[in-house]
This record gives sequence, C-alpha cells and structure tokens, in this order.
Amino acid sequence: DTEVTQTPKHLVMGMTNKKSLKCEQHMGHRAMYWYKQKAKKPPELMFVYSYEKLSINESVPSRFSPECPNSSLLNLHLHALQPEDSALYLCASSHDRFDNEQFFGPGTRLTVL
Amino acid sequence: GQQLNQSPQSMFIQEGEDVSMNCTSSSIFNTWLWYKQDPGEGPVLLIALYKAGELTSNGRLTAQFGITRKDSFLNISASIPSDVGIYFCAGQRAGNNRKLIWGLGTSLAVNP
Repeated sequence: DTEVTQTPKHLVMGMTNKKSLKCEQHMGHRAMYWYKQKAKKPPELMFVYSYEKLSINESVPSRFSPECPNSSLLNLHLHALQPEDSALYLCASSHDRFDNEQFFGPGTRLTVL
Repeated sequence: GQQLNQSPQSMFIQEGEDVSMNCTSSSIFNTWLWYKQDPGEGPVLLIALYKAGELTSNGRLTAQFGITRKDSFLNISASIPSDVGIYFCAGQRAGNNRKLIWGLGTSLAVNP
C-alpha cells in the first residue's frame, strides 16, 4: 500500500464548531506532516511528527491541535476556526524525518463560515 | 518564509511540445524534489535528486540537480493533455534545518 488517505474530502464548519481531520498511511513511515495550502500557493508546513512525537510546530495557532495516536494515524483537531483558515489541508508521510521524499494525501478542502 | 524562485509562472503550450521549467536559490541545497499537483488533489512526487549534476528521468520527465547546487531543472518531452497541472519544485537546504523550501509553482496548460 503506497497511499496516504485523508478524510473527509470536504468539510464545511462554523466558527464555533469542533471537527477533526484524519490521515492514515500503511507504508511503515515514521514521519507524518500536516500542511496548509491556499489556492495557487505552495503547501505551508504546520506540524511534523516523528515516531509519534511532535517534532516541529511552525508557530501554528492553538485552534489547530494535532494528534498522532499511532504510527499509521494522524489527526488534526479544529476548534474556533476563522474564515481565513479555509484552505486545502494536506497530510504527508516519509520514511523518517530525515527522508525528504514526502508522499502526500489528496487533502481535505476546509471551508469555515 | 523563504521560497525558491521558480519560472516560468505559467505556460500554455501545444500538445507534443517540450516543456522546460527551473528553480533557483541563493542558497546551496542538498536535495531537489519535483512535484505535480492536479486541481483538488495533493502533490505527487515526480522526481527526487540528491547529487550535484545528477540527471534523472521518469518516463517523459527529466530533471537535473544543478552543479552549483543552487538550481534544478525539469523537462517534459512530447507533452500530452494529462500533463496539465501545477508543478512545484521543493528543496532541502544544506544545514541542520530539514524543512522543505517550496517554489511558487509553474502552471502548465496543454492545448490538444
């Protein structure tokens, strides 16, 4: 299995809602990433998990809360988001955090009303 | 944050034509990656380069790691309609920071 899967594909939420994005990979990768991507822009790194521990937080607001329950799963919990948080949220994985070849999921298109 | 200089920003070509795009930086890079992104999808890794001067092919795609380690090139030969999308370069700078630096993308349109 060489895929990174993400659910849901699309999500619409209000500013007072709590929701979660999910990511899964079964390639045995030990590094997993969350990126945010605005239209026609490159992905922006948010978080890096290495061996299920948070390795990098790119000064992301606390309304985004990552979680890595096990080596195959990565969640992003969302609470009290703002309309400007609307974007494509991408999950990626790599063999480990020293391996630059990152494999991306299809993303979750998030709209905050 | 820092971004790579990627050019051209967009291209509109006829099917069958060859395509060239490049990324440059003022810093030395250890790794260059080329990704393609279709609308509404995640980036797909096309080619990874690890050594200065390295030339690597993936089907009709060929990429090179510049000998100065400050640039990389991607060529697509005999373009077809499914080549349409945004092509991003990304690289990892020499040093301890493992974070990928991204170009702003080249948007490719192919006229059948």
